[in-house]
Amino acid sequence: KQEVTQIPAALSVPEGENLVLNCSFTDSAIYNLQWFRQDPGKGLTSLLLIQSSQREQTSGRLNASLDKSSGRSTLYIAASQPGDSATYLCAVRGSGGSNYKLTFGKGTLLTVNP
Amino acid sequence: DGGITQSPKYLFRKEGQNVTLSCEQNLNHDAMYWYRQDPGQGLRLIYYSQIVNDFQKGDIAEGYSVSREKKESFPLTVTSAQKNPTAFYLCASGRGLAGKAGELFFGEGSRLTVL
Repeated sequence: KQEVTQIPAALSVPEGENLVLNCSFTDSAIYNLQWFRQDPGKGLTSLLLIQSSQREQTSGRLNASLDKSSGRSTLYIAASQPGDSATYLCAVRGSGGSNYKLTFGKGTLLTVNP
Repeated sequence: DGGITQSPKYLFRKEGQNVTLSCEQNLNHDAMYWYRQDPGQGLRLIYYSQIVNDFQKGDIAEGYSVSREKKESFPLTVTSAQKNPTAFYLCASGRGLAGKAGELFFGEGSRLTVL
């Protein structure tokens, strides 16, 4: 059974700092990995999708990497801003018979202080 | 604008009542999903549908029912058999699994509270 762990559970940083959020998964047989952002009381917003054959994806100040063999992904946020404050979730889609399903981590709550 | 619309945003229910949460998408996606989110837990899959008139149980389907009569609609009924229905419910859609599975997109959620 796939398990997804996100460390740290919460992170507080001053504005302008570069930061890394971590995601690990137990079964490396994945189809893709997706990073989401969730604001309080809201739905999830897709940030980046990395297919299993890719090593990284970039969008603006965000960069996500994937090391499938070690079961790890990182989300790098450059020059953080107060507006980046949110919960960040990673989710992996299984391969083969499990490819319908995304398994989610519990998220990292990020606070960027002005 | 293209997207996923969930309604109602907030819903209160008395014990013993069934309630139906609406999910509509205009993204022309084949696959639709219902997830439940509880504090301190990851999202858990309730039901999913890969094509019209077909759906499968997820990890926590007991006490829930769905239908998929139209491509754009995937309503979720929370029945009185669901023992702990108070939660935040999220609907999602994505390209189907025939071919390359892509991103999953989510609605804004419906918060159900049982009084």
